[in-house]
Amino acid sequence: NAGVTQTPKFRILKIGQSMTLQCAQDMNHNYMYWYRQDPGMGLKLIYYSVGAGITDKGEVPNGYNVSRSTTEDFPLRLELAAPSQTSVYFCASSYGGESYEQYFGPGTRLTVT
Amino acid sequence: GQNIDQPTEMTATEGAIVQINCTYQTSGFNGLFWYQQHAGEAPTFLSYNVLDGLEEKGRFSSFLSRSKGYSYLLLKELQMKDSASYLCVPMDSNYQLIWGAGTKLIIKP
Repeated sequence: NAGVTQTPKFRILKIGQSMTLQCAQDMNHNYMYWYRQDPGMGLKLIYYSVGAGITDKGEVPNGYNVSRSTTEDFPLRLELAAPSQTSVYFCASSYGGESYEQYFGPGTRLTVT
Repeated sequence: GQNIDQPTEMTATEGAIVQINCTYQTSGFNGLFWYQQHAGEAPTFLSYNVLDGLEEKGRFSSFLSRSKGYSYLLLKELQMKDSASYLCVPMDSNYQLIWGAGTKLIIKP
């Protein structure tokens, strides 16, 4: 099993550009999450999904969009990138039910200049 | 509100034992996780406590007291590779994980 995979690993965007961060998991997990982590800070939840076709906002959703058309994939879309979106983005998944520990992808380091 | 309180940084010596304390306040409670995060990497799952008491897993043990809103992570026989941040992560009544900045543990030879 590859676990949770994320692409790209690094990206530099210009202000106003858009991009999609890809996330996939092969563990048949129902729940998937997108977080951002700024230097020295805790993770902040952007969006999450409890299953295909179902998504919900987390703590910091503004400037982002998600979709969940399959169990495996959970892409994060940045529209009109801003310097405040410079961060490390982590995707995670969990089975749900009785098992809520989250397993993380390696992260995407995004710089907006 | 929801709050987690952990020391910002701790230093310990290779081969020694260290205890990282955590107090928390959440809207409801469905258990508490400990995660390890090496610099520049993703968090990795260490332990989960939902009932009071001590859970032991190799060199790492985690303790929970729900009535006190208190947990600790105990690391024994410290190794240099244990230098990392340790995140105390309670889960609230909506099964959302509450993430703080964690404790940065520095291991010295």
